[in-house]
Amino acid sequence: DIQMTQSPASLSASLGETISIECLASEGISSYLAWYQQKPGKSPQLLIYGANSLQAGVPSRFSGSGSGTQYSLKISSMQPEDEGDYFCQQSYKFPYTFGAGTKLELK
Amino acid sequence: EVQLVETGGGLVQPGRSLKLSCVASGFTFNNYWMSWTRQAPGKGLEWVASITNSGGSTYYPDSVKGRFTISRDNAQNTLYLQMNSLRSEDTATYYCTREEVAGGFDYWGQGVMVTVSS
Repeated sequence: DIQMTQSPASLSASLGETISIECLASEGISSYLAWYQQKPGKSPQLLIYGANSLQAGVPSRFSGSGSGTQYSLKISSMQPEDEGDYFCQQSYKFPYTFGAGTKLELK
Repeated sequence: EVQLVETGGGLVQPGRSLKLSCVASGFTFNNYWMSWTRQAPGKGLEWVASITNSGGSTYYPDSVKGRFTISRDNAQNTLYLQMNSLRSEDTATYYCTREEVAGGFDYWGQGVMVTVSS
């Protein structure tokens, strides 16, 4: 199985700050990498697919990058509504696997 | 508007069975692969099963293989998850998800809670 190592586990950011979350795959996943945001009590929402494609309706302050085994999600200007949990996921090979998640809070 | 509505959750004893349903609307159901993903209380996300758009192929992780069966009725726009031999570690919120062609799950249902306990 492909292991997805996500870091950091938690992050506190100030309003307007730029933050990054990293995901390292145990083998190459050819950019089959998605990022999700989940708010308390809600279903996850797709932010980024194909490593760098922004899902429709997602604010442009979110961006994804990476290739091979290393991927990252960037939020260019932290907003209060960006608080929540973030997960990466590979869909290159079955079984699909997720990172353990990053809890993002507003400082 | 794409909607995925899950039903069928509840409290079940270990070793018993439960069947979840997900009714889809707002898109051409038989054009998409569909999946189930779960989340144990306070934990991360775990993919549970996927099915091709025709229903001809299915995929599972080892944790549920042989116990869970994903299926679909394209005429009724409905996805199913038959869960047998349930264990306490299957306790989770189960989400019905649509698979984006380029990877990832672009739509999620509201989730249905399954609790396995005596």
